[in-house]
Amino acid sequence: GEDVEQSLFLSVREGDSSVINCTYTDSSSTYLYWYKQEPGAGLQLLTYIFSNMDMKQDQRLTVLLNKKDKHLSLRIADTQTGDSAIYFCAESNDYKLSFGAGTTVTVRA
Amino acid sequence: GAGVSQSPRYKVTKRGQDVALRCDPISGHVSLYWYRQALGQGPEFLTYFNYEAQQDKSGLPNDRFSAERPEGSISTLTIQRTEQRDSAMYRCASSLEGLAGANTGELFFGEGSRLTVL
Repeated sequence: GEDVEQSLFLSVREGDSSVINCTYTDSSSTYLYWYKQEPGAGLQLLTYIFSNMDMKQDQRLTVLLNKKDKHLSLRIADTQTGDSAIYFCAESNDYKLSFGAGTTVTVRA
Repeated sequence: GAGVSQSPRYKVTKRGQDVALRCDPISGHVSLYWYRQALGQGPEFLTYFNYEAQQDKSGLPNDRFSAERPEGSISTLTIQRTEQRDSAMYRCASSLEGLAGANTGELFFGEGSRLTVL
């Protein structure tokens, strides 16, 4: 949606780190999310962060939140070919999620 | 089933026809959502059910779109007099918790129903 923006494409070499960035406009956002969409599959929740947190780490995933700048990032360490997908940033302050347009991540050998 | 099931997976219809898209949420999930995703875009909220009650239909584009969940389980999204601009992927999602806990991000999405209106 127009309230959430992210870059459209990212190409990364296998084994390197990927960083996907997202900005949002709603300062009342309570939760911010990263979803992954693989071809022919549904959206899969990767991780989410509560707005009073700065960072969340989960195995190869690190989420950083700069609430002042309304900036969210997802870092994927040791990127693998299976990480090739579309990644959606989303925010909400109630039951409705507002999604960005998605970042297509391509992992090259 | 283990996940959210949507049918049909693909629907091609002629302009002016009515279509019905079905969603079977995960058993026991209280909340059910419909989203629409145009090509190259993220999903956009259409409507939300808490059990059988339609709590929010603010995202439905116009009165040709309607949704129901009569027994608090399976839901149907109906589009009357389809137009070419209705072509999109329609995604259903469910979550375990009701309104009080709906904002946890734990939405489980189905694979979607891709609608093409000729």
